[in-house]
Amino acid sequence: DAKTTQPNSMESNEEEPVHLPCNHSTISGTDYIHWYRQLPSQGPEYVIHGLTSNVNNRMASLAIAEDRKSSTLILHRATLRDAAVYYCILNEKGRQLTFGSGTQLTVLP
Amino acid sequence: EAGVAQSPRYKIIEKRQSVAFWCNPISGHATLYWYQQILGQGPKLLIQFQNNGVVDDSQLPKDRFSAERLKGVDSTLKIQPAKLEDSAVYLCASSLELIGGAFFGQGTRLTVV
Repeated sequence: DAKTTQPNSMESNEEEPVHLPCNHSTISGTDYIHWYRQLPSQGPEYVIHGLTSNVNNRMASLAIAEDRKSSTLILHRATLRDAAVYYCILNEKGRQLTFGSGTQLTVLP
Repeated sequence: EAGVAQSPRYKIIEKRQSVAFWCNPISGHATLYWYQQILGQGPKLLIQFQNNGVVDDSQLPKDRFSAERLKGVDSTLKIQPAKLEDSAVYLCASSLELIGGAFFGQGTRLTVV
């Protein structure tokens, strides 16, 4: 499985945008980019996924670099409830989701 | 829409005992996953089902762990006999499509003493 690299931790101020980076330089053409987050004492929660084009949903936006070797999860307005571990995962169609260690996001009031 | 249901939420057993976890995926979801999450780590896949067939069980310790998916819906994960290092949260997830997002249950926290 292709690997991803994320910062161990990030901080953001409440009500400000947050840009969570992910590097995946060995991505293959059939790998989808998935983002999940995990709040304390809960199971992971699906956030968003994409293949080549940028994606938007009610939770976040996913910006994918033109060469697909990196991507950024954008939370447009962070709230205290967005504090969680965010996982960037490459997923080939039908294959398992392989979680790394993720980015611990702290939101400051 | 009801989410992925798991039971029990918590379980404490002694080493060498057996334990079983149950998962009911979201209705209509063909793909079901069992993950193990040790404290401080990301989830690790144990087994992936597509309907009632196994897609990937390469990381399942088959000498002590077993899983089945009855009629392509509910699933059970069993550990027999349990070891101390099996203490973890066991997460079940399901997805509708092979490329879609997976939805996770709240997990079962297992403590082996």
